[in-house]
Amino acid sequence: GEDVEQSLFLSVREGDSSVINCTYTDSSSTYLYWYKQEPGAGLQLLTYIFSNMDMKQDQRLTVLLNKKDKHLSLRIADTQTGDSAIYFCAERRQAGTALIFGKGTTLSVSS
Amino acid sequence: DAGVTQSPTHLIKTRGQQVTLRCSPKSGHDTVSWYQQALGQGPQFIFQYYEEEERQRGNFPDRFSGHQFPNYSSELNVNALLLGDSALYLCASSFYGTGLSGANVLTFGAGSRLTVL
Repeated sequence: GEDVEQSLFLSVREGDSSVINCTYTDSSSTYLYWYKQEPGAGLQLLTYIFSNMDMKQDQRLTVLLNKKDKHLSLRIADTQTGDSAIYFCAERRQAGTALIFGKGTTLSVSS
Repeated sequence: DAGVTQSPTHLIKTRGQQVTLRCSPKSGHDTVSWYQQALGQGPQFIFQYYEEEERQRGNFPDRFSGHQFPNYSSELNVNALLLGDSALYLCASSFYGTGLSGANVLTFGAGSRLTVL
């Protein structure tokens, strides 16, 4: 199976909160990341969390990490239409610096 | 401050041909990584260059090769193109020092979209 798994699609209304979930399999992962990709563009780093942290908040973004269950989530508060994009979860394993990405979650925000 | 720049943005090749993609890293970065992103998939790691040497390689055949120049820019070469090589090729740069013990934050370019017919 996939090393990093994400649900493929999420649809929310403008102003609501969005929660994008991710599971990973390597317990030795040191850092976990969330990237955003808009149509025709590269990947933009949103935030990252070190594996010994449970939570990280950055303005509208909240990352929760459950290391026991190998579960990562990204909460976007007050979701706007400009947040519509594909969101990728990625892990960095202890052995090297290469990032392992999930397939991405497409977030659709309707007004 | 320019970020990561890649060229060309789009190109079309036929099976069996060879292609070269180019990348200039973000100012202050010394490490370049290449990723392949097929349609509907997440990026997959191809290889990483630091100090003009390949430091790490993903699960890609040796038809994929690269080079890093003294100014830290990089090229990705793909020989004997297959239809399955059609993808967005992303270059990402970073500072090697933070990769050893820190978060190794990657800055991505907009990519080169390769179509193989």
